[in-house]
Amino acid sequence: SQQGEEDPQALSIQEGENATMNCSYKTSINNLQWYRQNSGRGLVHLILIRSNEREKHSGRLRVTLDTSKKSSSLLITASRAADTASYFCAPPDPSNTGKLIFGQGTTLQVKP
Amino acid sequence: DVKVTQSSRYLVKRTGEKVFLECVQDMDHENMFWYRQDPGLGLRLIYFSYDVKMKEKGDIPEGYSVSREKKERFSLILESASTNQTSMYLCASSPRRLSSYEQYFGPGTRLTVT
Repeated sequence: SQQGEEDPQALSIQEGENATMNCSYKTSINNLQWYRQNSGRGLVHLILIRSNEREKHSGRLRVTLDTSKKSSSLLITASRAADTASYFCAPPDPSNTGKLIFGQGTTLQVKP
Repeated sequence: DVKVTQSSRYLVKRTGEKVFLECVQDMDHENMFWYRQDPGLGLRLIYFSYDVKMKEKGDIPEGYSVSREKKERFSLILESASTNQTSMYLCASSPRRLSSYEQYFGPGTRLTVT
């Protein structure tokens, strides 16, 4: 399947440090999205990067996309305790019907 | 702001009961989705709908059905609840049928079947 696979599954860092999460996918895509989920809540959209973009920024978030390697990364700089959450990449389903394929996510813990 | 609401945050039902989970969005979105989320398995798509009265099976439709009689409302039905349907259920909507639009999620319903 097209499932996005995040790596690592879990990450624990100190406040102020940077956090990097990686995502791999299997088939060609025209965009890829990243979402965040606070414990026990719904997901919130963070950023969408298109296949013709190599890098995109949003505040302390930086997302890269390497279509030749079928991979993406999410970098959170100067992390805060409030960044503690699970992060998911979501490549689109190849059927282009609006479906996204979510993986298991990366659980990030930021210690104060 | 887009708002997606789900009828309950927590629900406890008995095995064999018929269970209705309701989802309502207020932004006139065409697409609506139902996922379940389990530890170690991520989010899995149960059903989705891209128009009123239209539905398509996702990856794990067995044991579930859906109803979309109005554009803003998408219901998930467990015809006869079983313990293996204990899970977090998430509803989402998106503006268009294409994949280049973000999905807006509700807060989730944590269902326990005893």
